[in-house]
Amino acid sequence: EIVLTQSPGTLSLSPGERATLSCRASQSVSSSYLAWYQQKPGQAPRLLIYGVSSRATGIPDRFSGSGSGTDFTLTISRLEPEDFAVYYCQQYGTSPRYTFGQGTKLEIK
Amino acid sequence: QVTLRESGPALVKPTQTLTLTCTFSGFSLSTSGMCVSWIRQPPGKALEWLARIDWDDDKYYSTSLKTRLTISKDTSKNQVVLTMTNMDPVDTATYYCARILSGSGWNFDYWGQGTLVTVSS
Repeated sequence: EIVLTQSPGTLSLSPGERATLSCRASQSVSSSYLAWYQQKPGQAPRLLIYGVSSRATGIPDRFSGSGSGTDFTLTISRLEPEDFAVYYCQQYGTSPRYTFGQGTKLEIK
Repeated sequence: QVTLRESGPALVKPTQTLTLTCTFSGFSLSTSGMCVSWIRQPPGKALEWLARIDWDDDKYYSTSLKTRLTISKDTSKNQVVLTMTNMDPVDTATYYCARILSGSGWNFDYWGQGTLVTVSS
């Protein structure tokens, strides 16, 4: 089973700053199958990035993804007030088909 | 416009069987490449994938829960049903259904709003 470990657990930043979130996999992940989601309190997750670096429909270009193999990064270039949320990485592979990281909470400093 | 909506009991007793229904619109589960999954999230915790059903009726389950889960579809009603047997308080969670488009990375591109299920006697 591929385990995804996200760091940091909590990231405290101010609007306008740059955010860098990490997702490390216990085994190599196919680049086609690494995604990032944003979840706000009381809401369902929203797909942000798929295939490591492709933005989902309607996602602003301040969100970008990068990485390969076992190390992946979500970068938010300039934080807006609405970006403060919990972020999850997710991979698709063999059994179990899907695993999620434990999440990174991005909070206002 | 793609929408999904989960429905089912808000409260179940330990050892009971949970049945959840995902009713969707804006796509057909008979179209090649379309899939629907169930994912859950205990309060304050991370997401956990449960099961997936594909357009061709292939089914996949979480390794740790597969003995308790059954997923099925009714294409004519645009519904996917998940049953989970032998419910326990640790199964208390918000249960989401989500669409997957196989041609774009097998990720969850549309989600329902979720339904909170509490397991308690």
